[in-house]
Amino acid sequence: LAKTTQPISMDSYEGQEVNITCSHNNIATNDYITWYQQFPSQGPRFIIQGYKTKVTNEVASLFIPADRKSSTLSLPRVSLSDTAVYYCLVGDTPTGFQKLVFGTGTRLLVSP
Amino acid sequence: DAGVIQSPRHEVTEMGQEVTLRCKPISGHNSLFWYRQTMMRGLELLIYFNNNVPIDDSGMPEDRFSAKMPNASFSTLKIQPSEPRDSAVYFCASSFGTGRNTEAFFGQGTRLTVV
Repeated sequence: LAKTTQPISMDSYEGQEVNITCSHNNIATNDYITWYQQFPSQGPRFIIQGYKTKVTNEVASLFIPADRKSSTLSLPRVSLSDTAVYYCLVGDTPTGFQKLVFGTGTRLLVSP
Repeated sequence: DAGVIQSPRHEVTEMGQEVTLRCKPISGHNSLFWYRQTMMRGLELLIYFNNNVPIDDSGMPEDRFSAKMPNASFSTLKIQPSEPRDSAVYFCASSFGTGRNTEAFFGQGTRLTVV
């Protein structure tokens, strides 16, 4: 089973770009990399997903190097409302069905 | 669609009582997940279903916990008897598809307090 490692916490200020890196050394060939965001008192919310190279949407960008053993979630010009926990997930389909296993996540605190 | 709907939003019960948490997944989704979240243990996957069939219940902590999915639009998580250490926020999530690139949608959660 692929496991992920990410920093426990990060601090930033409004307007800065934040990059959160996730390590997944045992990622399988067919695994995708997915990031979720969780605000206090809410369930996690899908942010972005990718397989290789770069993916961008209206919320974030995801950078994945050629070896796919890590990935970086990039949040451009963060605001106070981006304070949340960010989770990196990879594949995990031991039974052939996707098993969503969350790690400890990265707690991002954005200050004024 | 209203999203994943969980009920109740809050539940306070006494130790030893039976607790039933309910979840209505998004229409058309064929996978359903139950999670438990606490400060100490984070977000734990308890069980997940595909096409109403339990696929993996290895995360269910003990026999006091049971989950059912009688049809595609309803699932329950039952704790009997409940204990104070079961106090947590329980989330239900659903998704469509079974592959490695499916997106899951979470409900608002049920905050359970066992006193």
